[in-house]
Amino acid sequence: QVHLVQSGAEVKKPGASVKVSCRASGYIFSSYSIHWVRQAPGQRLEWMGWINAGNGNTKYSQKFQGRVSITRDTSASTLYMELRSLRSEDTAVYYCARGLTYYYPNGGCDFWGQGALVTVSS
Amino acid sequence: QSVLTQPPSVSAAPGQKVTISCSGSGSNSGNNYVSWYQQLPGAAPKLLIYDNDKRPSGIPDRFSGSKSGTSATLDITGLQTGDEADYYCGTWDGSLNSWVFGGGTKLTVL
Repeated sequence: QVHLVQSGAEVKKPGASVKVSCRASGYIFSSYSIHWVRQAPGQRLEWMGWINAGNGNTKYSQKFQGRVSITRDTSASTLYMELRSLRSEDTAVYYCARGLTYYYPNGGCDFWGQGALVTVSS
Repeated sequence: QSVLTQPPSVSAAPGQKVTISCSGSGSNSGNNYVSWYQQLPGAAPKLLIYDNDKRPSGIPDRFSGSKSGTSATLDITGLQTGDEADYYCGTWDGSLNSWVFGGGTKLTVL
């Protein structure tokens, strides 16, 4: 069965960076894409970006362009999302989710990781 | 404010039917597939409906989706207390070049 297991909770100071990992299992890693979605406390879901795990192509939300990087390590079947220049508004649960489409991020997500809480506080 | 508009809350009695709407525009729901997600309290979202009206394996047929023009709808019949959750619609927005979600709808089963 498909599993996406994310790294644990993090506490960061404003201005720092965070890197959240997402280890995939139960399917052919390079045959799918992965989205990253975050959810601030009590708020709606917010899309951050996407990576094709096969060829490494990425697409980012304009809101996070220049501040986020999504990468993958095919040998470890693991995806990473790094967010830089953190501010208090970045406090949220960060999810990875497997994409329903492969070549473009216009499909939804079928399986989701458990989420990783990132708290930004001085 | 969200690009996709959902009612903040809906409620109905156990066994009844509820409908959740998701209204967008031509750049998003009007020209792209809509998917629906259920988020139980404290849990990750779960895919309920994709490509407007398709159910993934394991999702009961009490959940159904449809789309007409720029509006999509999620119907839940035979409501159960375990259906109490937040429900989100999502789709691709070709103008924003971004996946977008609705603001979410909180379902209360009275």
